[in-house]
Amino acid sequence: ILNVEQSPQSLHVQEGDSTNFTCSFPSSNFYALHWYRWETAKSPEALFVMTLNGDEKKKGRISATLNTKEGYSYLYIKGSQPEDSATYLCAFRGIYNQGGKLIFGQGTELSVKP
Amino acid sequence: EAQVTQNPRYLITVTGKKLTVTCSQNMNHEYMSWYRQDPGLGLRQIYYSMNVEVTDKGDVPEGYKVSRKEKRNFPLILESPSPNQTSLYFCASSLSPIVRSQDTYEQYFGPGTRLTVT
Repeated sequence: ILNVEQSPQSLHVQEGDSTNFTCSFPSSNFYALHWYRWETAKSPEALFVMTLNGDEKKKGRISATLNTKEGYSYLYIKGSQPEDSATYLCAFRGIYNQGGKLIFGQGTELSVKP
Repeated sequence: EAQVTQNPRYLITVTGKKLTVTCSQNMNHEYMSWYRQDPGLGLRQIYYSMNVEVTDKGDVPEGYKVSRKEKRNFPLILESPSPNQTSLYFCASSLSPIVRSQDTYEQYFGPGTRLTVT
């Protein structure tokens, strides 16, 4: 059974703090690692798709790194703002995933206090 | 505007009363999928479809049916809903997920349907 783990489960920070969280995934048969941002009552919104070991992606104050050999990805948020409050999901896609399935982690719920 | 739509967004129903949740996408995507989201369990795939008339089970298919008669639509059918199907459901679509080097296909999600079965 393929397992994707995210930590921490939840995080409470003050506005202006920088934060990071982790996604662990199987290191074998890796194809892609997706990060999504999910606000309550909205659709999960794609942040990054990462495919190569050592990949670093950035979108504004949010960035992500990827280590496929050891099976982890970090998501960083620099200078957190209240509007960053959301659940951040990672999803693993393996080469042999049936039907191109994404296997999701449980998410990290971020709360940013003004 | 490229989007995935789901209806209804909220539904409260009773055990055993058949219901259908519709999903439609306007991006000409081959691949469509249904997920359910439950606290502490993440998103789990129910069924997926690689193209018209091609569907297959995901991780948690019991109690659900799907059909794919047209490319744009992928309805989720609960023939006899039970309380353990109370959940938040998401439909998603993407281009074909067939693995090709250097290609990755993002999944676009609908807004979700919150279903309560009493």
